[in-house]
Amino acid sequence: GAVVSQHPSRVICKSGTSVKIECRSLDFQATTMFWYRQFPKQSLMLMATSNEGSKATYEQGVEKDKFLINHASLTLSTLTVTSAHPEDSSFYICSAQDSSTDTQYFGPGTRLTVL
Amino acid sequence: QKEVEQDPGPLSVPEGAIVSLNCTYSNSAFQYFMWYRQYSRKGPELLMYTYSSGNKEDGRFTAQVDKSSKYISLFIRDSQPSDSATYLCAMSRGNAGNMLTFGGGTRLMVKP
Repeated sequence: GAVVSQHPSRVICKSGTSVKIECRSLDFQATTMFWYRQFPKQSLMLMATSNEGSKATYEQGVEKDKFLINHASLTLSTLTVTSAHPEDSSFYICSAQDSSTDTQYFGPGTRLTVL
Repeated sequence: QKEVEQDPGPLSVPEGAIVSLNCTYSNSAFQYFMWYRQYSRKGPELLMYTYSSGNKEDGRFTAQVDKSSKYISLFIRDSQPSDSATYLCAMSRGNAGNMLTFGGGTRLMVKP
């Protein structure tokens, strides 16, 4: 199956700093990528839809100025958590839509801990 | 009421058992249905996807969709301890890659 990578897999940062998470589709092109967050023992919550070359579409309740998304190429989308606070600590997962098959594949996730 | 309902479990079965996992949904606009497997602290892995009603089989896994009842199932035959994970159903209105609506996930434990 298609491979989606995320980097870093784990990050610990101090409150007030910004953290960038990368999502890459390794063997296919993805015009659309999605960013989710997942709290322990809960399902995935869609944060935003990222389309290559255009602005991301954010779900209700997600602050676009806090969670900056850039989808500069067909294989890379980034999520930047700005001025992170402890309540932003979560598991962030991206997925990429394979344009040739319209199937969505998930990355391994990034665990963010804000102290 | 959530759009997609899924029993959180945990569901505990002995090795070799047939496992039945289910989801119900309320939105008749859903056309594509998927099952993902998620191990602890890992991203979800696509297991099966189907379009509209019917059955689809892949190895030990069988997915069933009954749109008239708004009910989908995933069957796992000859379950193995390595099948122990959380299983998430997901569905979308458009093609298989459009925005997904997830169930809450069912935690499955297969005991040797």
